[in-house]
Amino acid sequence: EAQVTQNPRYLITVTGKKLTVTCSQNMNHEYMSWYRQDPGLGLRQIYYSMNVEVTDKGDVPEGYKVSRKEKRNFPLILESPSPNQTSLYFCASSAHRGETQYFGPGTRLLVL
Amino acid sequence: GESVGLHLPTLSVQEGDNSIINCAYSNSASDYFIWYKQESGKGPQFIIDIRSNMDKRQGQRVTVLLNKTVKHLSLQIAATQPGDSAVYFCAENSLGSARQLTFGSGTQLTVLP
Repeated sequence: EAQVTQNPRYLITVTGKKLTVTCSQNMNHEYMSWYRQDPGLGLRQIYYSMNVEVTDKGDVPEGYKVSRKEKRNFPLILESPSPNQTSLYFCASSAHRGETQYFGPGTRLLVL
Repeated sequence: GESVGLHLPTLSVQEGDNSIINCAYSNSASDYFIWYKQESGKGPQFIIDIRSNMDKRQGQRVTVLLNKTVKHLSLQIAATQPGDSAVYFCAENSLGSARQLTFGSGTQLTVLP
């Protein structure tokens, strides 16, 4: 089944404790992206990747890092999480830039 | 930057009626539009898309209309069912933009029995 998977689905952590949210797609998509979703603000792009080893900032990149060492994986890294990063996070992928994106199930993060 | 917005944050319809969800966009360079459905606790799910060289596109029970003159997009759902209850997002993309999609804030559709 073609899909985007994320892990973990739920995470509670404390301020400053580094964490990684994994994202994997099995559709051989070139383009991958991370979004956060907050009430009243909709989906906002954090980072995106056009292909392996090619990443760029989205609209809200502060406090986040990403890497794209393999085509299928696009982890999101929070080096020092803060409470304002409490949110619902979605990974998405598309075959190429500009095409329809397919979303993962989401990761709900709470930073205390 | 320019943004995509929705006229109404909530919409309630009777089961079996048709639903119309509206979206206004302001980026005149937008040339590709997508509607997503997001059920509670799930990620956005692709419904239908339309490119700017079209005015209308139909899917299964859904139709998207694009009016470029007034920069307006709508999603019509025929014979709305309880399973259609969800938040619906429109998204736009200028195919020249490497940043991909810009999403609206969403409309909550509630189907009443």
